[in-house]
Parts: sequence; structure tokens; C-alpha cells
Amino acid sequence: GAGVSQSPSNKVTEKGKDVELRCDPISGHTALYWYRQSLGQGLEFLIYFQGNSAPDKSGLPSDRFSAERTGGSVSTLTIQRTQQEDSAVYLCASSSPSGASDEQYFGPGTRLTVT
Amino acid sequence: RKEVEQDPGPFNVPEGATVAFNCTYSNSASQSFFWYRQDCRKEPKLLMSVYSSGNEDGRFTAQLNRASQYISLLIRDSKLSDSATYLCVVNEARGYNKLIFGAGTRLAVHP
Repeated sequence: GAGVSQSPSNKVTEKGKDVELRCDPISGHTALYWYRQSLGQGLEFLIYFQGNSAPDKSGLPSDRFSAERTGGSVSTLTIQRTQQEDSAVYLCASSSPSGASDEQYFGPGTRLTVT
Repeated sequence: RKEVEQDPGPFNVPEGATVAFNCTYSNSASQSFFWYRQDCRKEPKLLMSVYSSGNEDGRFTAQLNRASQYISLLIRDSKLSDSATYLCVVNEARGYNKLIFGAGTRLAVHP
């Protein structure tokens, strides 16, 4: 079946512009996660959705970052007034609440470059 | 102190070698443990779960020591295709599956 998809795969933007990143989780997965991975670094948790609500948004680095999820499916991560330090790969993952394992399935990521 | 710590490597080994990676975690309440593999410029993928009794999957063996808060991964008979970054992952289960990722250990297997 289809895996997690993300778009765009690459995004180059100028400092100060807003960007919107999209994630399509695996069908039926109610849990959705956003992570950020800077060059040579580990994954940094940003936000967790269960359905349309976000019980844990503790990882969002500043109020320039926001995310929403509609219809319990697609999620968008918005970064306002981008800064150069926002350059990273943004990864989305989903997982099934009813599965025996807590495996998270990752999308291919969006590589964001702020110039 | 980082929540999950790993030696970044790189580990450069010849084909056929045995290599071991270690990881320590700080939260003693952590519930479950994993090794993920990440190829260059790709997304992480689950390699194997780690159980207290130790578990093996082909050439890969994972071990957990809860008392020492230590996790290991052993790869036997290394293949060129094993070259990747190995991420140690801890589920802190804070009401949901909150995975904390180590920064990864890079493995390069050469002919």
C-alpha cells in the first residue's frame, strides 16, 4: 500500500518568507508526527497529532512554527518569516494506534533551504 | 545531557567484520527500544525492536540492559549494503509513543 508522502521534496526560499510543508500519512493511521533533522544531527521532535488534535506541540522551536491536521489525515507544517537556521529536512511519520508495535513510518522528507 | 547518546563514528570496517554499536539513555521510565537505519539522504526505517531478553534477526543482534540504561546492536558478517547510519531510539511512552532519537552512529563497510 501507499506509504507516507510529503511535498514538496525540496524547497528553497528566501529569508523572511513563509513556507508550508505537507504530509499525507498512511491511510488509517491516526497518529502523526513531525520531526526536523539538521545536517549531521539526530531527529528533533516537533509536534504530535492524534486525529485532528495536537496533544504535544512542545517541540515547536518558536511561535513562527505551527501545524494543523484536518479530517484526521493530511497535515501541514507552516513556518512563518523563515530564518537561515530553519534550513533542515522536515520529516513526517505516522503510526497505527491499534498495531501491536509502536513503529513509526516515515515519509521521504522535505529538504528546506533558507537563503 | 542528551536523552539518547551514541558514538557518532564513523566505524570503517571491511566486509565480513563484526561491529558493535552502543547507546545509553537517560530516562529510566522509558518503555521500549529500537534500532532504526537511515541511509544517506533517506528517511529512517525500523531495523529491529530491542527486548530485555535480547533478540536476533539474521546477522543482527540487539541487547537491552535496563539496569545500566544501555542498548547495543551487533552486526555480524558485515555487507557493503550495511553501510548506513544506525539510530538508537527510545519510546518514552508519555501517554503516547514519543520516540526519542539518538544522533546516530555511521557505519561504512568497505571491500
